[in-house]
Amino acid sequence: SQTIHQWPATLVQPVGSPLSLECTVEGTSNPNLYWYRQAAGRGLQLLFYSVGIGQISSEVPQNLSASRPQDRQFILSSKKLLLSDSGFYLCAWSVQEKLFFGSGTQLSVL
Amino acid sequence: AQSVTQLGSHVSVSEGALVLLRCNYSSSVPPYLFWYVQYPNQGLQLLLKYTSAATLVKGINGFEAEFKKSETSFHLTKPSAHMSDAAEYFCAVSEGSSNTGKLIFGQGTTLQVKP
Repeated sequence: SQTIHQWPATLVQPVGSPLSLECTVEGTSNPNLYWYRQAAGRGLQLLFYSVGIGQISSEVPQNLSASRPQDRQFILSSKKLLLSDSGFYLCAWSVQEKLFFGSGTQLSVL
Repeated sequence: AQSVTQLGSHVSVSEGALVLLRCNYSSSVPPYLFWYVQYPNQGLQLLLKYTSAATLVKGINGFEAEFKKSETSFHLTKPSAHMSDAAEYFCAVSEGSSNTGKLIFGQGTTLQVKP
């Protein structure tokens, strides 16, 4: 069966520090992968999606970037975090019309 | 452009009472519609989906939703609430294209179930 791993579960970072969140999927090949962010009191917003290695589409302009170095690995990064980057970050993969989410990373930028 | 509006950020019901969570959508093409549930400190799980088949969709845990095109609504219901239903619920819409992981989510509704 397919599983999705996302880490770390929680992260506290100072403003201006770098960020790297990692997501890996097991049990499937060539998945579509996604990064969503859930800001406090708001719904989920799609940040990036990828249909293959090295193929990244950005949905909103922001301080973040994404990379897909391997088929089942999706990384969310920032060179310098902003306070507004705080939120709950969710990695997901899709099959047909269903999204399967990881357990999320709660990022607090102080 | 597509959008989703969930009416009511917080809903409180008594255990055993009817659950009704409202969702209205806007889409220029036939939509795919979803309800997801998020338990505390967890990712989201799919409750049910509408993909242009039957308008009444049954999901997991006794939930169901009815697609009403004339009202552009996709409200989520459950006849009898259980304490374990307390969670945050998200309605979402997609264009129904092949890349259907690109969902537009509502802002969420927190369901509280009182004993």
